[in-house]
Amino acid sequence: DVKVTQSSRYLVKRTGEKVFLECVQDMDHENMFWYRQDPGLGLRLIYFSYDVKMKEKGDIPEGYSVSREKKERFSLILESASTNQTSMYLCASNRQGRSSTDTQYFGPGTRLTVL
Amino acid sequence: AQSVTQLDSHVSVSEGTPVLLRCNYSSSYSPSLFWYVQHPNKGLQLLLKYTSAATLVKGINGFEAEFKKSETSFHLTKPSAHMSDAAEYFCVVSKKSSGDKLTFGTGTRLAVRP
Repeated sequence: DVKVTQSSRYLVKRTGEKVFLECVQDMDHENMFWYRQDPGLGLRLIYFSYDVKMKEKGDIPEGYSVSREKKERFSLILESASTNQTSMYLCASNRQGRSSTDTQYFGPGTRLTVL
Repeated sequence: AQSVTQLDSHVSVSEGTPVLLRCNYSSSYSPSLFWYVQHPNKGLQLLLKYTSAATLVKGINGFEAEFKKSETSFHLTKPSAHMSDAAEYFCVVSKKSSGDKLTFGTGTRLAVRP
């Protein structure tokens, strides 16, 4: 079975802190994605990566950055956390470089609260 | 631009009765369409996907969806609801012009009454 794991299920941080969310997949997938999920808004894409050291902005990249140094690991970074970044963060991965028909596999999510 | 609209934010059915979750899409290309389910405190799981083959798509757990181009719809159905179907369901369209990016609907929360 494909497994996507996220480093924390729940995280509480203070405004201004630097926050790292880690995601690891074990299926040698080329593509990895970070979304945030908010009630009534569905999932919105923050950043995605097609390959190691490669990244592209999604629909809402402001206030976030990412890092992909190894194929299996994709990190989301909040340089200076703000209260409006309180949300559920979901990581996903899938195979191939450019096929949108390939199923994305999701991690369980990290619920981040910024106080 | 591609988008998807889920017409109901909440749906409540009795166990054993049919389920209908409605989704309309907007796309300038032939889209790929998906339904994902999210059970409480769990990650999203793919229910089914349409990729321009058969218009009636069968998924897991007895769910199916029919792609209707003339109505720009991709409604999710199940003949008989189980208590375990209570979850949030997302209709999703692919952004083929941008590779693998997906656009999610706002979700429909399904409640199943005993």
